Amino acid sequence: RKEVEQDPGPFNVPEGATVAFNCTYSNSASQSFFWYRQDCRKEPKLLMSVYSSGNEDGRFTAQLNRASQYISLLIRDSKLSDSATYLCVVNGRSQGNLIFGKGTKLSVKP
Amino acid sequence: EAGVVQSPRYKIIEKKQPVAFWCNPISGHNTLYWYLQNLGQGPELLIRYENEEAVDDSQLPKDRFSAERLKGVDSTLKIQPAELGDSAVYLCASSFSGGPGDEQFFGPGTRLTVL
Repeated sequence: RKEVEQDPGPFNVPEGATVAFNCTYSNSASQSFFWYRQDCRKEPKLLMSVYSSGNEDGRFTAQLNRASQYISLLIRDSKLSDSATYLCVVNGRSQGNLIFGKGTKLSVKP
Repeated sequence: EAGVVQSPRYKIIEKKQPVAFWCNPISGHNTLYWYLQNLGQGPELLIRYENEEAVDDSQLPKDRFSAERLKGVDSTLKIQPAELGDSAVYLCASSFSGGPGDEQFFGPGTRLTVL
């Protein structure tokens, strides 16, 4: 089993749609969780950290379920500019290391 | 403030040739990472430095890959000899302290093609 698994995608949605990405992780000792965004042929950039109580940043909501080892990202009212690959990221067994999922590609169409 | 700088941005070489990538992290960042990203995959850690010390190089194929971070600032990643399967994007990242909650800032990467 891979350490971080994500929906394979791609997700093709119209503008204004709500889209949800799911992710599971295998290391129950993981303490830090993130969503990174990667535009085509660009470097990954931090979108948001994920906290145990769940957190929201504008149209983006992240949730963490430690018991199920499950992370989610919800994007409301999607924009054309949200088109990118979304990477689920968890800290590894060496605490300073990050383990990235394969990413889920989102395409938002007019 | 400048971000993580990498060079070259693109490199095309023939198999069995050597190649080197250079990274300059964000000023003040003690932790530097080298990642490899294959098409359709997430980045995979190759090596992590805390200042000059390589604290995790368990995923670095040491038969052909080497890295150094002299003076705890810039870093170089080398492959010798390169193989066809080494074609990928090599990303450098840095963070302030390397703690589990620290944001990692990535450079634009070096896209390597081995022919």
